[in-house]
Amino acid sequence: AQSVAQPEDQVNVAEGNPLTVKCTYSVSGNPYLFWYVQYPNRGLQFLLKYITGDNLVKGSYGFEAEFNKSQTSFHLKKPSALVSDSALYFCAVRWRDKLIFGTGTRLQVFP
Amino acid sequence: DAGVIQSPRHEVTEMGQEVTLRCKPISGHDYLFWYRQTMMRGLELLIYFNNNVPIDDSGMPEDRFSAKMPNASFSTLKIQPSEPRDSAVYFCASRLENNEQFFGPGTRLTVL
Repeated sequence: AQSVAQPEDQVNVAEGNPLTVKCTYSVSGNPYLFWYVQYPNRGLQFLLKYITGDNLVKGSYGFEAEFNKSQTSFHLKKPSALVSDSALYFCAVRWRDKLIFGTGTRLQVFP
Repeated sequence: DAGVIQSPRHEVTEMGQEVTLRCKPISGHDYLFWYRQTMMRGLELLIYFNNNVPIDDSGMPEDRFSAKMPNASFSTLKIQPSEPRDSAVYFCASRLENNEQFFGPGTRLTVL
């Protein structure tokens, strides 16, 4: 069955430190992978996507994600976290026109 | 472009009443999705349309829920009759072909 797993409900990081939000997926065929961010009382905002090509994808607000086919992972990263990065992050994989979302990871960046 | 537009932003109603949520997708987008988000169940896909045609409504929880897309620029999600367990944030999203989805700001529904 197609699925996305975000193993951490919450990630805490100090401002200025690097951050990683983990995502693994299970889908038949070549995966189309996405990261979205949701700020309080807002809709989901697109951050970045992997369709094909370079395994390191760069997106909005300094975020990047690394596609690893052998580990079926698509972890979100940022070299230096900001307090304003605190939000809910969703990983998703496309399957038959639909996006299958993970359960979300809440990122807390402390000053 | 103004992005995906949803109305109303907030809706408070009493159990048994009919509720209609509205969505205007981004112009030119050929896919439209309705989602529901709650703390307990996370983000759920209810139904999606391609070129105004409903493709998959397997996520619609009950017959009380219905959705229409009469034209490329408008869609509605209707709940009749509403129940307290329908309280959630309902999102509409649209996309063009195989590109990323864009989400609206959501409608926060409270059923008393």
